Amino acid sequence: EPEVTQTPSHQVTQMGQEVILRCVPISNHLYFYWYRQILGQKVEFLVSFYNNEISEKSEIFDDQFSVERPDGSNFTLKIRSTKLEDSAMYFCASSEATSGISYNEQFFGPGTRLTVL
Amino acid sequence: KNQVEQSPQSLIILEGKNCTLQCNYTVSPFSNLRWYKQDTGRGPVSLTIMTFSENTKSNGRYTATLDADTKQSSLHITASQLSDSASYICVVSYPWGKLQFGAGTQVVVTP
Repeated sequence: EPEVTQTPSHQVTQMGQEVILRCVPISNHLYFYWYRQILGQKVEFLVSFYNNEISEKSEIFDDQFSVERPDGSNFTLKIRSTKLEDSAMYFCASSEATSGISYNEQFFGPGTRLTVL
Repeated sequence: KNQVEQSPQSLIILEGKNCTLQCNYTVSPFSNLRWYKQDTGRGPVSLTIMTFSENTKSNGRYTATLDADTKQSSLHITASQLSDSASYICVVSYPWGKLQFGAGTQVVVTP
């Protein structure tokens, strides 16, 4: 069964460093998303991406964040200068474009745990 | 403010027993309501998706209900198994696809 994959599973970085989190969405999916979950808190939407551009972003997704689809398979989230409060689990998700964006099931990856020291 | 509130925060049930989780939402505009299961350290997995016109939807031992008038939903787990131990998250979708997550109900099934 196709699934969303994410690498690395755990990333440790120093405050102020840049990190890139990588995701491989399900191959025939056209909508891509990033979410984060701070330990013990609820999942929060960061950004959605369609047709090579951002569809929507939350207030969390400030200028320190960027997303890219560098090739036909990868979808990346870059944090330019990490802060302590960026420590969280980051989930990538993808969905088809068959029933309208709001009805399509979003399939989540296993997550990347980012620890900023 | 658009919110998704879940109760209880956590519950412990004996294997084989049933339980019901509650969700109230104030998200508007509303497109559909989803229930996800999230195992510790893993990504959420979809259990059900319901539009405003659907009152109930089942997925195996999981049955979700929706009352769009009162903006309430429930998830009923029948004959619980140890593998049901997880966080169950109520999620509301805006018409443009953005998801608003609840904080989840942590379910622990004991032998």
